[in-house]
This record gives sequence, structure tokens and C-alpha cells, in this order.
Amino acid sequence: KNEVEQSPQNLTAQEGEFITINCSYSVGISALHWLQQHPGGGIVSLFMLSSGKKKHGRLIATINIQEKHSSLHITASHPRDSAVYICAVSGATNKLIFGTGTLLAVQP
Amino acid sequence: EAGVVQSPRYKIIEKKQPVAFWCNPISGHNTLYWYRQNLGQGPELLIRYENEEAVDDSQLPKDRFSAERLKGVDSTLKIQPAELGDSAVYLCASSRRPGLSYEQYFGPGTRLTVT
Repeated sequence: KNEVEQSPQNLTAQEGEFITINCSYSVGISALHWLQQHPGGGIVSLFMLSSGKKKHGRLIATINIQEKHSSLHITASHPRDSAVYICAVSGATNKLIFGTGTLLAVQP
Repeated sequence: EAGVVQSPRYKIIEKKQPVAFWCNPISGHNTLYWYRQNLGQGPELLIRYENEEAVDDSQLPKDRFSAERLKGVDSTLKIQPAELGDSAVYLCASSRRPGLSYEQYFGPGTRLTVT
């Protein structure tokens, strides 16, 4: 069993839909990261959070430390949101443990 | 502020040939990471530097992979000789310092194809 698991692995949505990607982890962490990777592109950090909730534009990330679970929400999804979304957790040394990613395709 | 710079962006080589990747981290970032990402998987750490010291290279295949970070700034990752299974995206990342989960900033990656 992977230390960081994401669901779903693949997600297809229609433009405008509300999207949720889930991440569960089994190790102790100091922070959880949500990353975005476009095809052929590098990785962009979306959020780093250790408690509660953060919002940036149409993106919202939440974390429940007790349940070892985080969600990434995208409101009013758009085709440009199509990418791989990766959950990663880090401990005190900032060594990241990555999930395998969720491939999101938003269709117009 | 410039981001993490990597070159080349793409590289195609024949097996058994050597290859090198270069990374310039964000100015002032003491910690530098090299990751390898296979298709459909998350990145896996190859080596982590604190300034010029390699503090975690447990996942680096030392028989064919080597890395250096002279002067604690730029870094080079080398594979010699390359094998077909080395085809992947090689990502470099940097952060201000370790601990307290400082955010890592990733470069665009180098996509290596070994034929």
C-alpha cells in the first residue's frame, strides 16, 4: 500500500463542473502539498497546508489531520484546468512523498 | 524572481551513451533536489543537496548515476551509460532550506528518451 494515495486516478468533467480530488496518507506529516503538472511541463506548486483550508482563485484545498485526508476542489472548471494533480506529503526534512497523481480532463 | 532553470528540456540518446542534465536553482535556495518521474507515476527522489553536500542519495543508482553541486549553486546529474529504463522526466527542485516543510519549487524538467 502506497503511503500517499489519490482518488480518482482519472477524472473527466464538463466545463463548469465542481471537481474534487482526494488524497489520503498513512505517515506523519508536517505539511501536505498539492501540485499541478501539465503535459510536457514542469510541476507547479498550488498549495502547501498543514491545517484547515486554503483558497486561491477557483482552487480550494482542505486538510483533516486527524483523518489523514486532504481534498482539492476546483470550482467552475475550465479546459485549461486539464492537468495531472499530484498530492505530496512532507516531514521535517522536507522530503516529499508523492502520490501517483490524478489525470483531470475538462471538456468544453 | 527567476524560477528553477533546467537544460536541456529534451534529450534523445542511444543506450550506452552518456548524458548530463543541468539545474540552476532559485537564487538563495540552499536545498536542491533531483527527482525522476516515470510515465504515469509521481516523482521519486534521487538525491538531495544541502548547499554542496549530498545529504540523501539513498535512491540514486550509483553504478551509473552521479551528481555534483559545486559551490552549492548549480548542479549536474549524469548518467553513464544510459539504459532503456532510464527514459523518464528528470526534475530539479529547490527550497530555501530544509525542515519546517519549506515549499519546493520545481523546474520544467528534462525529458530523456533512450533508444
